[in-house]
Amino acid sequence: AQSVTQLGSHVSVSEGALVLLRCNYSSSVPPYLFWYVQYPNQGLQLLLKYTSAATLVKGINGFEAEFKKSETSFHLTKPSAHMSDAAEYFCAVRSGANSKLTFGKGITLSVRP
Amino acid sequence: KAGVTQTPRYLIKTRGQQVTLSCSPISGHRSVSWYQQTPGQGLQFLFEYFSETQRNKGNFPGRFSGRQFSNSRSEMNVSTLELGDSALYLCASTPMDVSNTGELFFGEGSRLTVL
Repeated sequence: AQSVTQLGSHVSVSEGALVLLRCNYSSSVPPYLFWYVQYPNQGLQLLLKYTSAATLVKGINGFEAEFKKSETSFHLTKPSAHMSDAAEYFCAVRSGANSKLTFGKGITLSVRP
Repeated sequence: KAGVTQTPRYLIKTRGQQVTLSCSPISGHRSVSWYQQTPGQGLQFLFEYFSETQRNKGNFPGRFSGRQFSNSRSEMNVSTLELGDSALYLCASTPMDVSNTGELFFGEGSRLTVL
């Protein structure tokens, strides 16, 4: 079985501040992990993915995430928030390339001027 | 390459009716997955098709069904619509080739409103 936990439903930061969105996963086998972003009235766009290569993964728009097996975590960070980062962010896990992709509940990020 | 295309983008139905949603995957992608997104439940997996066969299925009632054609295009159908079926239905495709890392490429969704 596989699952994802994203604590909280909303995070608010000031423009220029650090963004930290938490994700913990459960998987019976080494997982594939993903972060997706969704802007209003749009589909999901891949930010970054972990597929058992480097544990620190860099994605688009300045985001990165670190895979920590001991903590079963895959937190998303960005050093300096921009107004355009306001969106909903989803963490997802797949236990093997052929299993379904399971999403967390999502976190809405607001950026204050 | 064109992205995942979903039609229609918006539709309104009444309770008891049925609806069919269509999804054209990225060219060369052989797997198509469907998700239901609602404010309360988030993203819920409906089913996945690969080479015209349903490979994975979520926990939805039998009113929800799908199929995949030989050209990888997919449709999903919901019969006897209920108010709770109002949602954004997202389709996603993945190549399923030797380089596959499991990421999904999403369409913009079909927003269904049931009155």
